[in-house]
Amino acid sequence: QQQVKQSPQSLIVQKGGISIINCAYENTAFDYFPWYQQFPGKGPALLIAIRPDVSEKKEGRFTISFNKSAKQFSLHIMDSQPGDSATYFCAATPPYNTDKLIFGTGTRLQVFP
Amino acid sequence: DAGVTQSPTHLIKTRGQQVTLRCSPISGHKSVSWYQQVLGQGPQFIFQYYEKEERGRGNFPDRFSARQFPNYSSELNVNALLLGDSALYLCASSDPTDTQYFGPGTRLTVL
Repeated sequence: QQQVKQSPQSLIVQKGGISIINCAYENTAFDYFPWYQQFPGKGPALLIAIRPDVSEKKEGRFTISFNKSAKQFSLHIMDSQPGDSATYFCAATPPYNTDKLIFGTGTRLQVFP
Repeated sequence: DAGVTQSPTHLIKTRGQQVTLRCSPISGHKSVSWYQQVLGQGPQFIFQYYEKEERGRGNFPDRFSARQFPNYSSELNVNALLLGDSALYLCASSDPTDTQYFGPGTRLTVL
């Protein structure tokens, strides 16, 4: 059972464009929603995270938008750069156990010059 | 500061064999978690250990086991390997804010 659904599976964006990746979750008890970036041959690295009491969080070119009623959250990458080309995973954690990450299926982002 | 380290980097085993993967957390981190990442999919939670105690277990068979040592390093053991166990095995350690930091993983191939 896929508790966190992620789309699209792959995304091609031109340099300077906006990349948008969407996730939907089922368990309303989830209370921590991080995004991870993974380059080939490396482990995932935390990019940005949000808790459900906030509707938006911005860190540099990365923004998470969170819609609690729709049980959806998204990652926006502004001014996308070729160095952003990687696989992005959304995740969620149950309450009182932020170490148990439940990941989405991933989005492979390619940014072309 | 060194990040999470894992060994070995790559491993090739045959069906039915047993394997042990090792993880050293970031200095000062007491929690270690293990994940399995099959090619093209997101990581799946296997175990979490904190202060040598198992705190969580994912939906994996009993062939998978783990332990944490007094220095907070950890081992993941998989017995009776199946072809479907071929994956990248990731270890993560958590800081006091519960942020998880992942190691580079061990690529296990089962033939």
